[in-house]
Amino acid sequence: EAGVAQSPRYKIIEKRQSVAFWCNPISGHATLYWYQQILGQGPKLLIQFQNNGVVDDSQLPKDRFSAERLKGVDSTLKIQPAKLEDSAVYLCASSPLGGNTYEQYFGPGTRLTVT
Amino acid sequence: GENVEQHPSTLSVQEGDSAVIKCTYSDSASNYFPWYKQELGKRPQLIIDIRSNVGEKKDQRIAVTLNKTAKHFSLHITETQPEDSAVYFCAAKYSGAGSYQLTFGKGTKLSVIP
Repeated sequence: EAGVAQSPRYKIIEKRQSVAFWCNPISGHATLYWYQQILGQGPKLLIQFQNNGVVDDSQLPKDRFSAERLKGVDSTLKIQPAKLEDSAVYLCASSPLGGNTYEQYFGPGTRLTVT
Repeated sequence: GENVEQHPSTLSVQEGDSAVIKCTYSDSASNYFPWYKQELGKRPQLIIDIRSNVGEKKDQRIAVTLNKTAKHFSLHITETQPEDSAVYFCAAKYSGAGSYQLTFGKGTKLSVIP
């Protein structure tokens, strides 16, 4: 099966600019996650969608970050305006809904550098 | 929420030796504990997982043990090989609002010296 797709793979922007990332989960996966992975740390969940609804966005800095999954498939994550500390890899992951599997499948990530 | 502590942060072993990475978690309701391997510049990939109704699980050279009472779990890699060199992350599944939210440890950089 095709894996989780993300684009772009790399992005360099100046602080105060805006940026958007795109994710296409594995076909049929109802749950989609956005993680932020700062260099040398584990992934930190930003937001979780189930179909097109938000399940958990408690760690999303809502003053500058936003995310949507309008049709319950693709998702976009936006940062506006970006800060230096937003430099990180942004990982998208998906998992099936229900059943007995909890495995999350990760995309290749988008490496963001804010200068 | 859940809090996961992982040790050590770096680990160097000679090829053929064993490697052990340990994690503790805080939420006694957590019931799923995966381990991910992340090679430089690549995505995290699941290598093994364990559920709270099992104390130990093994897959070839990799094994995971879980002590629910003490709230800790460990990854054991035997007969290490250079291709095992990577960053390993433990995680715990936090159950809330029907979600499968994973909380990750900070990672262990494993270096296998040929």
